[in-house]
Amino acid sequence: DGGITQSPKYLFRKEGQNVTLSCEQNLNHDAMYWYRQDPGQGLRLIYYSQIVNDFQKGDIAEGYSVSREKKESFPLTVTSAQKNPTAFYLCASSIVGDLSNYGYTFGSGTRLTVV
Amino acid sequence: DQQVKQNSPSLSVQEGRISILNCDYTNSMFDYFLWYKKYPAEGPTFLISISSIKDKNEDGRFTVFLNKSAKHLSLHIVPSQPGDSAVYFCAASADSNSGYALNFGKGTSLLVTP
Repeated sequence: DGGITQSPKYLFRKEGQNVTLSCEQNLNHDAMYWYRQDPGQGLRLIYYSQIVNDFQKGDIAEGYSVSREKKESFPLTVTSAQKNPTAFYLCASSIVGDLSNYGYTFGSGTRLTVV
Repeated sequence: DQQVKQNSPSLSVQEGRISILNCDYTNSMFDYFLWYKKYPAEGPTFLISISSIKDKNEDGRFTVFLNKSAKHLSLHIVPSQPGDSAVYFCAASADSNSGYALNFGKGTSLLVTP
């Protein structure tokens, strides 16, 4: 079955540590996205990538980094520079140039907690 | 600045009645709109979409209406069922031909009571 997988589902991080959230898709989608969800804030865009080896900052990119070395994978690193990293992180993918059917396909999310 | 606004954080409706969820936007360049449904600790799932060249799109119990002059869209669920209880996000794209990132509203939590 085609889909998008995020791991781990829960992640705990000590202050000052970098952590990497995994996102893998087998939908053959060119575009991938990272969003952050906080209570009452909706979904805010962190980074997106429309093609391998290229990515763009979203609205809240500070303290985060990404890579897109393979079409299937778009890992997100939450660095120690991110002041308030505790949140629910969502990865999504889509066909570039076609939102007409499903828009994005989302993963099931990773809940990151700083302890 | 929030370009997609869902001004009602929550809505409670009786089973069998109509649920109307509203969404306003400020960017006149938005040309594609989508609604997603989300349960706690899960990713959103696509519900229904509408292009700016249309004013209505229907899929079973779900209908989305778009009023471009008012920069307003609404999602109607008829009849509402308890399984519809979830958070609903409105989203918009400024460039549907390039897969540009979606802008999301803050969501409306719908509770359908028996």
